[in-house]
Order: sequence, then C-alpha cells, then structure tokens
Amino acid sequence: ETGVTQTPRHLVMGMTNKKSLKCEQHLGHNAMYWYKQSAKKPLELMFVYNFKEQTENNSVPSRFSPECPNSSHLFLHLHTLQPEDSALYLCASRPTSGSSDTQYFGPGTRLTVL
Amino acid sequence: GESVGLHLPTLSVQEGDNSIINCAYSNSASDYFIWYKQESGKGPQFIIDIRSNMDKRQGQRVTVLLNKTVKHLSLQIAATQPGDSAVYFCAENNRNYGQNFVFGPGTRLSVLP
Repeated sequence: ETGVTQTPRHLVMGMTNKKSLKCEQHLGHNAMYWYKQSAKKPLELMFVYNFKEQTENNSVPSRFSPECPNSSHLFLHLHTLQPEDSALYLCASRPTSGSSDTQYFGPGTRLTVL
Repeated sequence: GESVGLHLPTLSVQEGDNSIINCAYSNSASDYFIWYKQESGKGPQFIIDIRSNMDKRQGQRVTVLLNKTVKHLSLQIAATQPGDSAVYFCAENNRNYGQNFVFGPGTRLSVLP
C-alpha cells in the first residue's frame, strides 16, 4: 500500500448522473493530483492542489469539478459526463518540502460512463 | 484483474534473464526522473528515481541509467521474475517549473516461464 486510498474502486454511471470520487492520503503530503489514464494515452494531468489551493487546471472540462477541503483529502465531482470520459482516474500525492520529490499514487477508480 | 487497455510496446523476456526498458524524455531542463510499475488493476507504483546530477542509480534488482546528452533513461531489471510482468513508464520533472510530472506512454513487460 502506498498510503493513498481511493474510493470507489469501480463506478458505473449514466450521463445524467452526479457522482464523486474520493482520495485520501495518510502521508502528510501537501500536494495532491488528479490524473486520467485512458487507453492508448499516457497519464494525463487534470488538477493539482498545493496546500489546499488549486495550482493547476490542465484545460479540464467543467463537468469535472475538484475539491480539496484539506491537505489529506481530494474529491473529484462528476456531472453530465460523456462516454469518452470512461477511464481510470488516479489520485497522487507528493511532499512539498524535504528531499523527496516522489509522487505516490492511489489504486485508481475505474469509471465507466454509459 | 483488469488491464488499463493501453496498446503499448511490449518487451517479452525469459524468466531469469535481464530486462532493459527504455524511455526518451522531452525536456532537456528536466532534473528529476522516476520509473513506475503498474500492474493490472492497480495504480502506478514507485520503483526508483534519479536526479540529473547522477547517471546511474541502483536499487534492489533494478538499475536506472540516465544519459542527458541524448535525453534517454533506461531501467534494467536483473533476473526478471514473473511478478515483474507489468507496464513500466518513466516520468520527468523540473522542480523549477512547478510540481508537475510528464509521463511516458509506457512499455509492457511480459515474463515468459
């Protein structure tokens, strides 16, 4: 285990549904990330939060809405998604101080949009 | 488990042989590199990292080589085992340009019995 947990692990939703993905890290890190991993593409950065402040929005459609209430928790709120949004959504965290720059990933949520 | 579904370059090696997985990175200003292993149905797992002031770093059964001249990174796995079967990808970062990593497309390693 990496110390980063994600729930749910699998999610099937219709295009009109609203759902949320949750990420929690127990590593004391201050930076958290959402990535999308879909077939035939490298990992795509979606959002970055640093000390609860969003520092990066990588041109993500507004149907994805992140929320970071504290340094340990990160959410991704989903609404009116499209079938092409089906992918593995990965959360990661990273320390922002000290000598380590390593990013640690959660197990991901496999999302299927019908 | 489920596959991430990527149509990736595949490297097949015999169990017990050494594996070499390559990665070309894009930014000559990148100063930190990581190799990740992703098994089916799991998130990426950190294997080993290297900073640009080094050209080689060794871990347990793994070695990372960095050639900054040609912007090339390799991962060597000694005595490859069935448990090494996974997708491997590299990530590059430049601390001076924020905390974002750029990831390579990955290579699928298959270990043959």
